[in-house]
Amino acid sequence: EIVMTQSPATLSVSPGERATLSCRASQSVSSNVAWYQQKRGQAPRFLMYGGSNRATGIPARFSGSGSGTEFTLTISSLQSEDFAVYFCQQYNQWPRTFGQGTKVEIK
Amino acid sequence: EVQLVESGGALVQPGRSLRLSCAASGFTFDDYAMHWVRQAPGKGLEWVSGITWNSAGQVYADSVKGRFTISRDNAKSSLYLEMESLRAEDTALYFCAKAAGDSYFDYWGQGTLVTVSS
Repeated sequence: EIVMTQSPATLSVSPGERATLSCRASQSVSSNVAWYQQKRGQAPRFLMYGGSNRATGIPARFSGSGSGTEFTLTISSLQSEDFAVYFCQQYNQWPRTFGQGTKVEIK
Repeated sequence: EVQLVESGGALVQPGRSLRLSCAASGFTFDDYAMHWVRQAPGKGLEWVSGITWNSAGQVYADSVKGRFTISRDNAKSSLYLEMESLRAEDTALYFCAKAAGDSYFDYWGQGTLVTVSS
């Protein structure tokens, strides 16, 4: 199975600053990566697909890039509601697999 | 508005069975594949199983293959997960998720908690 590795595990950022989250696949997944945001006690929220396509209603401050094995989620100017855990997921092969998550916390 | 509401979670002993349900509304249920994803307490997300729109195909994670069965009833807009021979490591919050594209998940329910313990 494809292992998705996210880094860092925790990212401490001040409101208004940029956050850059990384996700690496153990083998090429083309551009078949999605990103999700999860706040404590809530279901995951779909953010992005195809590595760089925002889901409906997702603010433009969220952007994604990458292909092959290296992917990045960038939040250009962190708002209070963005502090959460972020997961990447590959959908290039079965089984679908998720990264272990990056927690974005207030610095 | 898309809504997915899971039910059926409970505290069960190891080796026992349990059936989870997910009631869907707000979209044309039989147009989409559906999946179950779980999250152990304090842990990350683990995809469990998926089923095509017409039930022609089912896929499972190796960790549940042979023990769990996914099914759906399009007339009732409902998804199910029959879980047998439950183990302590199956303890998790189980989410129902609507598939988009090639099996990423655009809508999620709030989850139902399964605890396997003696």
